[in-house]
Amino acid sequence: DAKTTQPPSMDCAEGRAANLPCNHSTISGNEYVYWYRQIHSQGPQYIIHGLKNNETNEMASLIITEDRKSSTLILPHATLRDTAVYYCIVSSGGSNYKLTFGKGTLLTVNP
Amino acid sequence: GAGVSQTPSNKVTEKGKYVELRCDPISGHTALYWYRQSLGQGPEFLIYFQGTGAADDSGLPNDRFFAVRPEGSVSTLKIQRTERGDSAVYLCASSLYGQGESPLHFGNGTRLTVT
Repeated sequence: DAKTTQPPSMDCAEGRAANLPCNHSTISGNEYVYWYRQIHSQGPQYIIHGLKNNETNEMASLIITEDRKSSTLILPHATLRDTAVYYCIVSSGGSNYKLTFGKGTLLTVNP
Repeated sequence: GAGVSQTPSNKVTEKGKYVELRCDPISGHTALYWYRQSLGQGPEFLIYFQGTGAADDSGLPNDRFFAVRPEGSVSTLKIQRTERGDSAVYLCASSLYGQGESPLHFGNGTRLTVT
């Protein structure tokens, strides 16, 4: 699976949009981009995933560049409860269970 | 609905002892996974079950680790002759299907401490 690069940490003000970047320049055509997050002392939580098109659900939006080499996770109105480590993961559909989490981005939402 | 349940939430054991960690997946999910998370690291894959069978156990670190899912629902991760290096949070996840896009739903893990 392709490797991802994320900033180690980011800050965001409560109520503002949080934009978390991810670089995956070696992604191949059949690989999806998944985002999970992990709040302290909890298991990872699935957020969203996509292949080519931008995606939106009740939690977040996922913007994938046209060349698919990078993506951005957007939390439109961050709350204190969104403080967590966010993992960007690239995985093919046949082995999406074997997720390589990396170290992720620690997002801190400040009041 | 109920999520993935793992018991116990914490387990302290002495070096050399045997431990069992239990996972109750989301009802109806055919696939089940075990991951391990060491302090300061992201989770690492251990084993994947499709139904009752282990479809991929390539992440198990050595033969002291074994997992079963006899009826295709509850799973038990078994660790023999525990070592201090086995101390970690053991995470269980389930998904509707094992292949394709089905996202994984994780439990909150069992924190294992080997003294």
